[in-house]
Amino acid sequence: EPEVTQTPSHQVTQMGQEVILRCVPISNHLYFYWYRQILGQKVEFLVSFYNNEISEKSEIFDDQFSVERPDGSNFTLKIRSTKLEDSAMYFCASSKETQETQYFGPGTRLLVL
Amino acid sequence: ILNVEQSPQSLHVQEGDSTNFTCSFPSSNFYALHWYRWETAKSPEALFVMTLNGDEKKKGRISATLNTKEGYSYLYIKGSQPEDSATYLCASLLTGGGNKLTFGTGTQLKVEL
Repeated sequence: EPEVTQTPSHQVTQMGQEVILRCVPISNHLYFYWYRQILGQKVEFLVSFYNNEISEKSEIFDDQFSVERPDGSNFTLKIRSTKLEDSAMYFCASSKETQETQYFGPGTRLLVL
Repeated sequence: ILNVEQSPQSLHVQEGDSTNFTCSFPSSNFYALHWYRWETAKSPEALFVMTLNGDEKKKGRISATLNTKEGYSYLYIKGSQPEDSATYLCASLLTGGGNKLTFGTGTQLKVEL
């Protein structure tokens, strides 16, 4: 069964460093998302992406964040200059159509020291 | 109700017990309610997407109901097994809200032998 994959599973970085989190969505899906969960808090929406552009973003998704689909398979989230409060589990998801089931990857646990 | 809320926060049951938990969500501008099952270190697994008031869905021993007028959904597990141990997340999708899922805090279920 097709699944969303994410790499790396864990990443430790120093404050101020750039990180790129990678995702391979399900191949025939058109809509892509990033969510995150800070430990002990709710899973929260960051951004949605369709047709090579951001379709919606949350207040969290400021200028330090960017997303890209550099080729036909990968979908990346870049954090330009990480802060301590960026430490969280980051989930990628994809869906075939708008407002349909979103299929999640296993997440990347990011720790900023 | 302004946010998506779930109760209880955690639940311990014995193998063979039936159990249920609640998701409350804003009823205005409602489009869909998603249920996910999330085991540690794995991808959140999509269980149900429910849209219509009175919807009932079933997958094996797990079933869910939806009341959009009062803004709640129940998830039922019949004859709990240790492999049902997981965190169960609900998330709402609003009309005009694009594809942004708004999650509850989850109910952590532990099924003991």
